[in-house]
Amino acid sequence: DAGVTQSPTHLIKTRGQQVTLRCSPKSGHDTVSWYQQALGQGPQFIFQYYEEEERQRGNFPDRFSGHQFPNYSSELNVNALWLGDSALYLCASSLGVLANNEQFFGPGTRLTVL
Amino acid sequence: KNEVEQSPQNLTAQEGEFITINCSYSVGISALHWLQQHPGGGIVSLFMLSSGKKKHGRLIATINIQEKHSSLHITASHPRDSAVYICAVHNTDKLIFGTGTRLQVFP
Repeated sequence: DAGVTQSPTHLIKTRGQQVTLRCSPKSGHDTVSWYQQALGQGPQFIFQYYEEEERQRGNFPDRFSGHQFPNYSSELNVNALWLGDSALYLCASSLGVLANNEQFFGPGTRLTVL
Repeated sequence: KNEVEQSPQNLTAQEGEFITINCSYSVGISALHWLQQHPGGGIVSLFMLSSGKKKHGRLIATINIQEKHSSLHITASHPRDSAVYICAVHNTDKLIFGTGTRLQVFP
């Protein structure tokens, strides 16, 4: 049973560029949440996708957008990259959107913006 | 003030010692997670609890809903326990994370 997978594992971009990160949820899961973890900090909630729609959003600008596909996989897009966007981006999947549903995390994508 | 506070931020121990990591939160929650993050970033869920106490091997997690406090205990610590331990709470269907406790266990 494949767990949550993310690609790529590492990525280097320059300021102003755009990036797309990908996540495949654990088999059977239909909900995907994205988190940003800056160095030395805890993860911060970006947004959550369910039934191909953004269901909840954290305090992130519109430069951060996402998408969920019919197979429940998801993409995170960041436009006009800043140096401050350098972080580990984590994806987590769960079955349904209820608060107590356990989330399973992927290995993350480490983004470096130069 | 962060909604989820952990202490200590850093912790070193000798192999075999009993470890306690604390988590306090200021928001309403439906559940609390303890997570383990190794260098390289991958996060593993250790416990999800909403009341009482859970035990898995050498790990024990407790929560006091009235006091808005949880503890993670590691008995007979081992160098392979070295990692960052993160407390996260479920609030309005999203997770709010603490900043983590970096644990190093030396042989």
